[in-house]
Amino acid sequence: QPVLTQSSSASASLGSSVKLTCTLSSRHSSYIIAWHQQQPGKAPRYLMKLEGSGSYNMGSGLPDRFSGSSSGADRYLTISNLQSEDEADYYCETWDSHTRVFGGGTKLTVL
Amino acid sequence: EVQMMESGGGLVQPGGSLRLSCAASGFTFTSYAMSWVRQAPGKGLEWVSGIVGSGDNTYSADSVKGRFTISRDNSKNTLYLQMNRLRAEDTAVYYCAKFEGSVWDGAIDYWGQGTLVTVSS
Repeated sequence: QPVLTQSSSASASLGSSVKLTCTLSSRHSSYIIAWHQQQPGKAPRYLMKLEGSGSYNMGSGLPDRFSGSSSGADRYLTISNLQSEDEADYYCETWDSHTRVFGGGTKLTVL
Repeated sequence: EVQMMESGGGLVQPGGSLRLSCAASGFTFTSYAMSWVRQAPGKGLEWVSGIVGSGDNTYSADSVKGRFTISRDNSKNTLYLQMNRLRAEDTAVYYCAKFEGSVWDGAIDYWGQGTLVTVSS
């Protein structure tokens, strides 16, 4: 089954940009993933679905400060013009024919 | 507006059983696959079980296979998770999640608010 690897933490300053990475296991490097945000004490929220080509589809009502890109087995989530409400845990998700997996999550701190 | 409301969580002893429900509204329930995802205290997300829109196919993580059963009643717009032989490590917030399509192949695009299950004596 696929494995997703994320850094445990990241930080960036208010108003700056940050790029979070989700890396697929090598055998599954072409897989589609999804990004989800979980603010403290809240349920997760879907952000986008991201293909290996770099094409992505955003969830409804999300600001265009969020964008996605891909390179090989790496899937990226870029957040520009960071706001305090972006401080959250970010998870990537993927699936194959009979299972679904999440990355370990990245805790983003906005300085 | 898509809404999903979980219920049925609570405190249960090890070895006990519990049934979670997820009442859905704001979308054509039978047209979408659904899943349960859990989150242990202070930990990340863990997929538990999934079911396609028709209910014909179900999938479960190895950690719950043989103990948990996912089902749905499309006439009631409700998703269920029957949890038997519960263990302390099943303690978590359980989220109901909607897929973007009727089949397994697709992303989760909406989440419920979650219900807490605590397994303890």
